[in-house]
Amino acid sequence: DAGITQSPRHKVTETGTPVTLRCHQTENHRYMYWYRQDPGHGLRLIHYSYGVKDTDKGEVSDGYSVSRSKTEDFLLTLESATSSQTSVYFCAISESFGVGYTFGSGTRLTVV
Amino acid sequence: GQQLNQSPQSMFIQEGEDVSMNCTSSSIFNTWLWYKQEPGEGPVLLIALYKAGELTSNGRLTAQFGITRKDSFLNISASIPSDVGIYFCAGHGEAGNMLTFGGGTRLMVKP
Repeated sequence: DAGITQSPRHKVTETGTPVTLRCHQTENHRYMYWYRQDPGHGLRLIHYSYGVKDTDKGEVSDGYSVSRSKTEDFLLTLESATSSQTSVYFCAISESFGVGYTFGSGTRLTVV
Repeated sequence: GQQLNQSPQSMFIQEGEDVSMNCTSSSIFNTWLWYKQEPGEGPVLLIALYKAGELTSNGRLTAQFGITRKDSFLNISASIPSDVGIYFCAGHGEAGNMLTFGGGTRLMVKP
């Protein structure tokens, strides 16, 4: 099932370059989330959205920005990538806030 | 912020063995969720618990919402190779609706 897709699946970028990751959903869910996954830390929330143009910060938002111009798309931007942002990034969607998450397959980002 | 401590961090077991893992918090949680993540994929919800003391099964998996509301347990009976993956606990604390995740338990099963 392709209710939520992330692109790209893999990316290698250089320190200091901007990077944008895309999350696309076909479920018409109101809530969308960006998480990063690092060994020993589980999943940590970066930003989330509760509607078009409505976003808020999560636990680890420094160095990241997001935009949601359409219900189906939630973009995560690293304005100037750093090596500490090497991680696997997951997008999730839900109908109700904080429950019933469906996760995407992730984007593995390496900053060299 | 709220933190969930999940243990063990990893397990290497023989096929057919039972598995137990747990998640603890220093503060009260109102819901507990257990997810499984397979290589190259996002986490998938296995079991959701909503009341203290609740015991819920999903096939060979059984999870419990601790009476103190500060812990939860996941048991897998008669493990098989396809049980391999990372198991995450997650929950909603009293402070808000944001979902907090544990650090994960990596399960490896030897055929």
